[in-house]
Amino acid sequence: EPEVTQTPSHQVTQMGQEVILRCVPISNHLYFYWYRQILGQKVEFLVSFYNNEISEKSEIFDDQFSVERPDGSNFTLKIRSTKLEDSAMYFCASSEARTGSQPQHFGDGTRLSIL
Amino acid sequence: AQTVTQSQPEMSVQEAETVTLSCTYDTSESNYYLFWYKQPPSRQMILVIRQEAYKQQNATENRFSVNFQKAAKSFSLKISDSQLGDTAMYFCAFEGTDKLIFGTGTRLQVFP
Repeated sequence: EPEVTQTPSHQVTQMGQEVILRCVPISNHLYFYWYRQILGQKVEFLVSFYNNEISEKSEIFDDQFSVERPDGSNFTLKIRSTKLEDSAMYFCASSEARTGSQPQHFGDGTRLSIL
Repeated sequence: AQTVTQSQPEMSVQEAETVTLSCTYDTSESNYYLFWYKQPPSRQMILVIRQEAYKQQNATENRFSVNFQKAAKSFSLKISDSQLGDTAMYFCAFEGTDKLIFGTGTRLQVFP
């Protein structure tokens, strides 16, 4: 069964450094998402992306964050200048359709640790 | 605003028994989707079951079934014949426009 893959599985970065989290969505999917889960808390929506542009973003997704689909397969999340509070699990998801008729499939996540 | 509430932070059940996890939500939309996701200790997010609000029939997937009460905005998950591998966090989620809105989760422990 096709999977969403995320790399790296764990990223350790110094505060203030830039970090790029990478995702390869399922190949025929058109809608892409990033979510964040701070340890012990619920999963929170960050951003959705379709047709090479952001569809919706949350209050968390401020100017420090950006997303890109640099080629036909990768979908990246960049954090420009990391803060301690950016430490979290970051999940990428993709779906064929916008509605739940085709549910979102999640990757295994990238654990981001900011020192 | 759309919200999802899971009022049971932790539940436990003995192997082979049945357990029900509760979820309520709030929305003004008439058609939408609801989901249960499982997050084992490895922290993957695994889709367990989904329900379209348009359909009155409750969804089932093997040992997992839901009790969907649209008027009450309730969407509970029943796990029958619980197995040790069911030990995980369970998140209820509502599909809003372009995003999933998650509840705070219920930690389920299955005991032998």
